Amino acid sequence: EVQLVESGGGLVKPGGSLRLSCAASGFTVSNAWMSWVRQAPGKGLEWVGRVKSIADGGTRDYAAPVKGRFFISRDDSKNSLYLEMDNLKTEDTAVYYCSSSTTSCYTLCAFDIWGQGTMVTVSS
Amino acid sequence: EFVLTQSPATLSLSPGERVTLSCRASQRISNYLAWYQHKPGQAPRLLIYDASNRATGIPARFSGSGSGTDFTLTISSLEPEDFAVYYCQQRSIWPWTFGQGTKVEIK
Repeated sequence: EVQLVESGGGLVKPGGSLRLSCAASGFTVSNAWMSWVRQAPGKGLEWVGRVKSIADGGTRDYAAPVKGRFFISRDDSKNSLYLEMDNLKTEDTAVYYCSSSTTSCYTLCAFDIWGQGTMVTVSS
Repeated sequence: EFVLTQSPATLSLSPGERVTLSCRASQRISNYLAWYQHKPGQAPRLLIYDASNRATGIPARFSGSGSGTDFTLTISSLEPEDFAVYYCQQRSIWPWTFGQGTKVEIK
């Protein structure tokens, strides 16, 4: 079965750090375009960052609000994606979703695999 | 700044009605637009990718059209499970962005 399972959310103080994990099954993370998307309470969806497949260069891109504070990584041995979050701010409070497109976004791009989300709360 | 504008913000409808949702881009984005359905407590669900392609497993009552700056998601006949928030999302320009969403609620 193709699925993504996130973990690692929780309560953290402003300025703190947290690492989210996204375990994939049914496909290979390194062959897919992977992304993190978040939804703050009462707000819409926001694309946080992406990493391209190895075949497409494996580069990472981040949205402006998180650039320099968040880092996306992969562990091919565990077929997992991670989101390292540093210097967290109250406005980072959100449900964080992991998502993937198993087709290249240079051609046909379909983020049709999503995890159930993990809640991150940044509060003192 | 690139913006996706969805209209209307809310639609109050009855099962069986036809629904047309609009998404307008502030710059031309070719056909690089997707539509998602999102229900509370659930993951977003991809409905349409690249403006008019139905994702795997999506019922035929969902269809997408448009190119350039103006896009439409149509639900031909609302089913009870279709009441949700719908988002358009562009992948032409990084950062990829979503519209603010259209809530389809039961009348």
